[in-house]
Formats: sequence, structure tokens, C-alpha cells
Amino acid sequence: KQEVTQIPAALSVPEGENLVLNCSFTDSAIYNLQWFRQDPGKGLTSLLLIQSSQREQTSGRLNASLDKSSGRSTLYIAASQPGDSATYLCAGSDTGTASKLTFGTGTRLQVTL
Amino acid sequence: DTAVSQTPKYLVTQMGNDKSIKCEQNLGHDTMYWYKQDSKKFLKIMFSYNNKELIINETVPNRFSPKSPDKAHLNLHINSLELGDSAVYFCASSQALGAREKLFFGSGTQLSVL
Repeated sequence: KQEVTQIPAALSVPEGENLVLNCSFTDSAIYNLQWFRQDPGKGLTSLLLIQSSQREQTSGRLNASLDKSSGRSTLYIAASQPGDSATYLCAGSDTGTASKLTFGTGTRLQVTL
Repeated sequence: DTAVSQTPKYLVTQMGNDKSIKCEQNLGHDTMYWYKQDSKKFLKIMFSYNNKELIINETVPNRFSPKSPDKAHLNLHINSLELGDSAVYFCASSQALGAREKLFFGSGTQLSVL
């Protein structure tokens, strides 16, 4: 059974700083890994999706990497802004149940002025 | 223009009642899902439907019955509500069933059972 862990649970950084959010998963037989953003009282927004055959994906200031052998994914946010403040969740899709995502508990990010 | 919309946004009810949450997507997607987010913010899949057919049922109690009248709708009916059902329920959709698909989420329905 896939388990997904995110550390740290919360993170506060000053504006402009580069930061890395970590995601670990137990089962390396993973089809894909997605990073989501959740704003308070709102749904999740998909940020990046990395296929099992890929090692990273980039979108603007965001870069996500996937290392299946070590069971890790990272989300790198460059030049953080207050608008980046949100909870970031990673989720893995397991082999055999392709559309069932197993979520981590998230990292709550606050970017301060 | 909301892609995945669910109603109501808030639902407060007494134990033992029956309630429904509606979900509609206008993205033309084939696959829809229900996820539950508990008080610890842990998100877990409940159901997924593909072209109106049930694909995943994650050992959810029989009191929960999803219904998909068409591809664009996946409603969730809950019988005999219990205190432990209090959570935020998210509807989501994807173009297809495969693992390559991005999920699009609704804004959630916060259910409080008193």
C-alpha cells in the first residue's frame, strides 16, 4: 500500500527566497506523481504532473523532480512571492490503479513580506 | 465558467439525516471522482467513475452511494449521517482514466454533522 509523506508540515520563508518542498513515497512502482496547491477554503489546483518515465517538469517558477529509486519528489519554487502562500500536496498514482491518487498530508507554506 | 462545480458549499445537518452533494463538470471529461478530506487535512479517494461506470470504490460504507446520471455529473448521496462523516468532500474530474491525466478539483463541500 502506497504511503506518501511530506516534510516539513509547515514552512515560513521571506519573499524572494528559493525553497524546496519534499515528498516521499514508499512504493517505487508509481505511475505518476502530481503536485497540487490548495488555498484555504478552496479546491486543489494541479501544478505539475511527472510521468514515471520522466525525471522532472517545469512550469514558470516551479520545478518538480521525481526519483523513483529513492522514493522522492521535490517541488522547487524560485523567487517565492506572498501569492505562493498555500498548502502544497503531492500525490502518487500506483501501478494497477492508475487513477487512484494517494495524497500526502501537505506542506503549509507562508511567504512573508 | 467554473470547470468543476459542486453544491452546496456548506452543509450542516443532524445525525441520522440523509443528504446529497451534487457535482458537475463542463470540461468534457470522461472520469469523475469523490475525495474526502478529514480534519487532519488528509485527502483520500472514495469513488471514481468512468463514463458513468463505477471504477473505484475504496471500502466506503454502504451509506455512501454515488450516482452518475451522465458523464458530466457525479452526485454523492449519504444515508444515516454519522458524526464521523464530518469532512470536506471534493469532486474531481480528469479527461480519462489513465495515470497520465491531471485532475481538476471542485472547491469542496464542507459537511458538518451535529
